[in-house]
Amino acid sequence: KAGVTQTPRYLIKTRGQQVTLSCSPISGHRSVSWYQQTPGQGLQFLFEYFSETQRNKGNFPGRFSGRQFSNSRSEMNVSTLELGDSALYLCASSWGTDYNEQFFGPGTRLTVL
Amino acid sequence: KQEVTQIPAALSVPEGENLVLNCSFTDSAIYNLQWFRQDPGKGLTSLLLIQSSQREQTSGRLNASLDKSSGRSTLYIAASQPGDSATYLCAVLGNQFYFGTGTSLTVIP
Repeated sequence: KAGVTQTPRYLIKTRGQQVTLSCSPISGHRSVSWYQQTPGQGLQFLFEYFSETQRNKGNFPGRFSGRQFSNSRSEMNVSTLELGDSALYLCASSWGTDYNEQFFGPGTRLTVL
Repeated sequence: KQEVTQIPAALSVPEGENLVLNCSFTDSAIYNLQWFRQDPGKGLTSLLLIQSSQREQTSGRLNASLDKSSGRSTLYIAASQPGDSATYLCAVLGNQFYFGTGTSLTVIP
C-alpha cells in the first residue's frame, strides 16, 4: 500500500512570503502530525490533527498553522517566512488510536532566502 | 517536559560487529517508544515500536528493549553491515512525540 506522500519535495521562498505544504497519509490513517527538523534543534513537534481537529500543538509561533480535510489529507502553512524557517518539514501518519506506530513521509525541504 | 537523550552521538564500527545504541528519557509516563533510522536528507523509516506494556521487540537483526522504570531503551544491532550506516533516532510518545538527538552510525567495510 502507498506510503505517506508530501508535496512539494523542495521549495525555495524569500523572507516575508508564505508557504503551504501538503501531506497525504497512508490510506485509512486518521492522524497526521507535522515536524520541523533542523541541524541545530533536531526534530521538533509542530502539531497533530485527528479527524479534522487539532489534537496537540507544539511550541511554535502562530505563523505556523495547519488543517486537515475530511479525507485525512493535511496542509501546513507558514506565513511571513523567516530565514530560520529553513528546514526539512516532515509529516507522519498513524491510525491515531492508542497512539499507534507513526509512518513518515520523505519530507519537504524548505529554503528561505 | 520530556527530554530524550541518545548516547553516543556518533559511532563508527567495523563491519560484522554487534552494537548497542542507547536512549534515555526523563518522564516514564509514556505510551510507547519507537526507533527510526534516517538516511541523509530523507524521511524517517520506522524500525521497531515498543508499547509501554512490552519489554522488547525484535525484527531481523534488530532488537529493542524498554525499561520504563529507569527511563531507558536500547537498540541492539547484530552483525552490522555498511547498509546500516544512518542516523538512528528514538522517540517516546507521551502527550506528543518527543525525539532524541540521534546517533550517527557508520559501519566501515
